[in-house]
Amino acid sequence: SQQGEEDPQALSIQEGENATMNCSYKTSINNLQWYRQNSGRGLVHLILIRSNEREKHSGRLRVTLDTSKKSSSLLITASRAADTASYFCATDPSRDDKIIFGKGTRLHILP
Amino acid sequence: SQTIHQWPATLVQPVGSPLSLECTVEGTSNPNLYWYRQAAGRGLQLLFYSVGIGQISSEVPQNLSASRPQDRQFILSSKKLLLSDSGFYLCAWCRESYEQYFGPGTRLTVT
Repeated sequence: SQQGEEDPQALSIQEGENATMNCSYKTSINNLQWYRQNSGRGLVHLILIRSNEREKHSGRLRVTLDTSKKSSSLLITASRAADTASYFCATDPSRDDKIIFGKGTRLHILP
Repeated sequence: SQTIHQWPATLVQPVGSPLSLECTVEGTSNPNLYWYRQAAGRGLQLLFYSVGIGQISSEVPQNLSASRPQDRQFILSSKKLLLSDSGFYLCAWCRESYEQYFGPGTRLTVT
């Protein structure tokens, strides 16, 4: 079953602009994570935000979490060509060993 | 440091043939292990996960099976491949449902 749902499915922006991706989920969670996948590669963990946190930063990444709305956003500031990739949110439903991934947002940074 | 290996990297198999994909983890003990499948341009579908030797949880009923004969070895198998088994297979490990670390993946094409 799909827990997380990213929005938009695809996003193209100019280099230097900020990119915002959203994720909505259905059930209560322990934490929410964002991953990045370059074409044909495995996923790379970017950032984890716990259910009792509202915002977290890591370099050019800013993640917010609103548990009342069951949603999260990933902001990439000052985008670069190398940021072109697919971005996935993943949730850790409470009392479970599974991590459920969304369908991803394909981000394309235009030079 | 921990590393995760998958092989083979690519595989072309005829319909009806058997399958064995292997995943091994180094540098950690008693990890949670996961098998995912990703169709082209799509999200990750969780196939199996394991929290210990011989403990396998199946998420999707299909003609695939998984085994964990050793603590850091996770094998995905099939007795008879179907066309619909084509995809990108990813193995991942994690500790206590925190961030997952992915292998490089196996691209399977069933012809």
